[in-house]
Amino acid sequence: DAGVIQSPRHEVTEMGQEVTLRCKPISGHNSLFWYRQTMMRGLELLIYFNNNVPIDDSGMPEDRFSAKMPNASFSTLKIQPSEPRDSAVYFCASSSGQKDSPLHFGNGTRLTVT
Amino acid sequence: EDQVTQSPEALRLQEGESSSLNCSYTVSGLRGLFWYRQDPGKGPEFLFTLYSAGEEKEKERLKATLTKKESFLHITAPKPEDSATYLCAVQDGYSGAGSYQLTFGKGTKLSVIP
Repeated sequence: DAGVIQSPRHEVTEMGQEVTLRCKPISGHNSLFWYRQTMMRGLELLIYFNNNVPIDDSGMPEDRFSAKMPNASFSTLKIQPSEPRDSAVYFCASSSGQKDSPLHFGNGTRLTVT
Repeated sequence: EDQVTQSPEALRLQEGESSSLNCSYTVSGLRGLFWYRQDPGKGPEFLFTLYSAGEEKEKERLKATLTKKESFLHITAPKPEDSATYLCAVQDGYSGAGSYQLTFGKGTKLSVIP
C-alpha cells in the first residue's frame, strides 16, 4: 500500500497567488481530512469528508480556503488569494471511516507564501 | 471545547534512560485517545489507541497508559532511533458531525543522545 500521497511536497509562492494542494487517500478509505500544522498552533483540522461529501468545514479559516473531493481517490485544498500567514505544513489524512479508526497521514506539503 | 495539553514540550534523554511523556485532556466523552509519532519532514504515524481508564498498550520500548484525565507514554531504555515528536490526540464521542475528528496536542519533542 502506497499510503496517503500528497503533492507537491514543497510550494513557494508570492502573496496573492492561487495555491492548490493535492491528496490521494488510501484506497478503500472513505474519510478524508485536511490538517494544518504550525509551531504556534500545532495540528488543526481544516475540513473533513465522508464518502466524498464535506461533513465539517468549521476549521477552514476564511473564504480564501476551499476544498473539494470530486471522487474517492482525489481531493484538493485551494487557497486564493494566498497570504504570508498561510505559511504552514498542510497534511492530508484518510481513515476507514469507523469512529475509532486511526488516521493515516501523508507526508505533507510545506507551503511558504512570501 | 476539547483540549489536549502535552508535557514537557521537549525532553532530552541519554540512551537507556527511561522516562514518561504526559498528555492531559478535557473532553465531553472520550471515544478514544491516540498516540502518534512524527519524524522531521514526515506525517504523524499511528502508534496506539486507548479507549478506557486502566487500559495499557505496548509496542517495543513504548507503553501507553490511560486514566480519566491523562495518558502517559512510557519509554523504557530508549535508543537514538526513538527520537521524534510524540503527539497525543483525543476523539470526542459526544460530538455530532465532528465525531470523526481528532483534537491534537502540540507534542513532545524527544531527543535520545547516544
